[in-house]
Amino acid sequence: DSGVTQTPKHLITATGQRVTLRCSPRSGDLSVYWYQQSLDQGLQFLIQYYNGEERAKGNILERFSAQQFPDLHSELNLSSLELGDSALYFCASSVDIAGGSTYEQYFGPGTRLTVT
Amino acid sequence: DQQVKQNSPSLSVQEGRISILNCDYTNSMFDYFLWYKKYPAEGPTFLISISSIKDKNEDGRFTVFLNKSAKHLSLHIVPSQPGDSAVYFCAASYQGAQKLVFGQGTRLTINP
Repeated sequence: DSGVTQTPKHLITATGQRVTLRCSPRSGDLSVYWYQQSLDQGLQFLIQYYNGEERAKGNILERFSAQQFPDLHSELNLSSLELGDSALYFCASSVDIAGGSTYEQYFGPGTRLTVT
Repeated sequence: DQQVKQNSPSLSVQEGRISILNCDYTNSMFDYFLWYKKYPAEGPTFLISISSIKDKNEDGRFTVFLNKSAKHLSLHIVPSQPGDSAVYFCAASYQGAQKLVFGQGTRLTINP
């Protein structure tokens, strides 16, 4: 158990809909990262938040957004869903000093999103 | 642009023998490398890492080797055990990168 929790575990929804994925980082971790894994591919970095502020963006679509709340949990919002958005979405957390580098990240169990 | 590549999608090894998983990278800025292990229906689990100032790091049955000139790293598992059967991801990062760049994974199967 990494200490990172994600809900829900599975989500099935229809095209055009909007969903919210939730992540709680390990106790003490200030950084939260979101990754997408499609069809046995590698993990693709989406976005990072550090202590409530967006720090880095990867290949995140404009239809997707995220935020980190004062209690450090994070939500990833996916809207106008398309079939191709079906994937595993992982959240990870790490201990970063302000302005520090990203090294070991600890991953949650993921949310499997199926868009029909 | 695939900056981290794992060219072998799968690898099958007999129990007790050595498993060698390979990873190549193209970005010279990478200075930290990690291996993650992933079981089905679970998130990736951190296994071992290595900084670019080293060429080897060992932790129990797991050893990671880094060849900076060849931009290549490998993970050795000795001896291989059935519980090692999983997908292994190589990842890389650098100072200030704020993210990990992952390879596509190698599925390791340990046969009894």
